[in-house]
Amino acid sequence: GAVVSQHPSRVICKSGTSVKIECRSLDFQATTMFWYRQFPKQSLMLMATSNEGSKATYEQGVEKDKFLINHASLTLSTLTVTSAHPEDSSFYICSAIWAGNQPQHFGDGTRLSIL
Amino acid sequence: AQSVTQPDIHITVSEGASLELRCNYSYGATPYLFWYVQSPGQGLQLLLKYFSGDTLVQGIKGFEAEFKRSQSSFNLRKPSVHWSDAAEYFCAVGAGNTDKLIFGTGTRLQVFP
Repeated sequence: GAVVSQHPSRVICKSGTSVKIECRSLDFQATTMFWYRQFPKQSLMLMATSNEGSKATYEQGVEKDKFLINHASLTLSTLTVTSAHPEDSSFYICSAIWAGNQPQHFGDGTRLSIL
Repeated sequence: AQSVTQPDIHITVSEGASLELRCNYSYGATPYLFWYVQSPGQGLQLLLKYFSGDTLVQGIKGFEAEFKRSQSSFNLRKPSVHWSDAAEYFCAVGAGNTDKLIFGTGTRLQVFP
């Protein structure tokens, strides 16, 4: 089945650091990738939708300058949390689809901890 | 606006017992419906999906779900639960032609031996 790889799986860093998370579709070309944030014991909150070669579309309330998304190729999207602070600590998950109206395939998530 | 409701936050069953996880949705047209499972600290795995056609959908790991338009429901079932099924289960509806998913709040399944 479709495989999505997310890296790193865990990051611990100091406040003020910028952190980059990669999301790769390994065996298909992803027309669209999605970035989610998940708080403990809660559901997934969509942050943004990313299409290759175009600017990401952010959900209401998500700071685009804080969460930079780059979708440089059909197999790679990156999320950069700029100047991260403790309140940015969370579980970030990406997903990808290969065509419209197809199921999203999820990465294994990245646990971000800001000290 | 589209929405998904999973009424049960936490369900506990004995291993070997049958399981039904409830999901109700609100959507104006024929929905695309999904069930995902999440183990602790991991991403989501697709269990099954409904796009059209047969309203009883078979998925992986012995799960099935039935789309009932009259009840706006898409409940997940398994005849005999295994200890390895303990996880968080999310129902989701596809939001029109944007390919976005709207997730329910999840149901945590605990399985006792």
